Amino acid sequence: DAKTTQPPSMDCAEGRAANLPCNHSTISGNEYVYWYRQIHSQGPQYIIHGLKNNETNEMASLIITEDRKSSTLILPHATLRDTAVYYCIVRVEGNQFYFGTGTSLTVIP
Amino acid sequence: DSGVTQTPKHLITATGQRVTLRCSPRSGDLSVYWYQQSLDQGLQFLIQYYNGEERAKGNILERFSAQQFPDLHSELNLSSLELGDSALYFCASSVEPGLGSPLHFGNGTRLTVT
Repeated sequence: DAKTTQPPSMDCAEGRAANLPCNHSTISGNEYVYWYRQIHSQGPQYIIHGLKNNETNEMASLIITEDRKSSTLILPHATLRDTAVYYCIVRVEGNQFYFGTGTSLTVIP
Repeated sequence: DSGVTQTPKHLITATGQRVTLRCSPRSGDLSVYWYQQSLDQGLQFLIQYYNGEERAKGNILERFSAQQFPDLHSELNLSSLELGDSALYFCASSVEPGLGSPLHFGNGTRLTVT
């Protein structure tokens, strides 16, 4: 149901950019890509979402390929507080944000 | 702070009991969602309300029920509790249920059934 594929885990050095990939090869034209993260057992935190164009906010950038079959979340300067599980979600009609298993990002000092 | 408030933060109860979890959505949000996260599982969608009406159902057990009140707060009722119901229960809200409307999550209620 998740319709997305993410690597189970990644490491990133503190201060470097963290690039988290996501494949969503069956995405349809009106479906958005969302990114959330969950730190320990806190509530999932909304990061960013997009439809076709690249998006940037104060937390991250979202790069969506032209064919929309994959995307990358970029945390420009990772800190230890960015260690979390990151979820890439494709929201489809009637799909109430089904979370997959995500990518466990560890930021290393 | 997402603006979504959930109470209580922690709840410990015995098997067979009934509990009520409460959620206040962000100001202006009309849609409320409930999710369950067990120890070994991901976030499971339970149910969604929009402006007081049930909008979608996920993997919600018959022992569980929910409602959204006129002031838009929502309650999730869990009855005949079993050990396996021990989990984190999250509430989320959004302005409306459209595809481009992000969900904002509260910090959850941790339920322990003994």
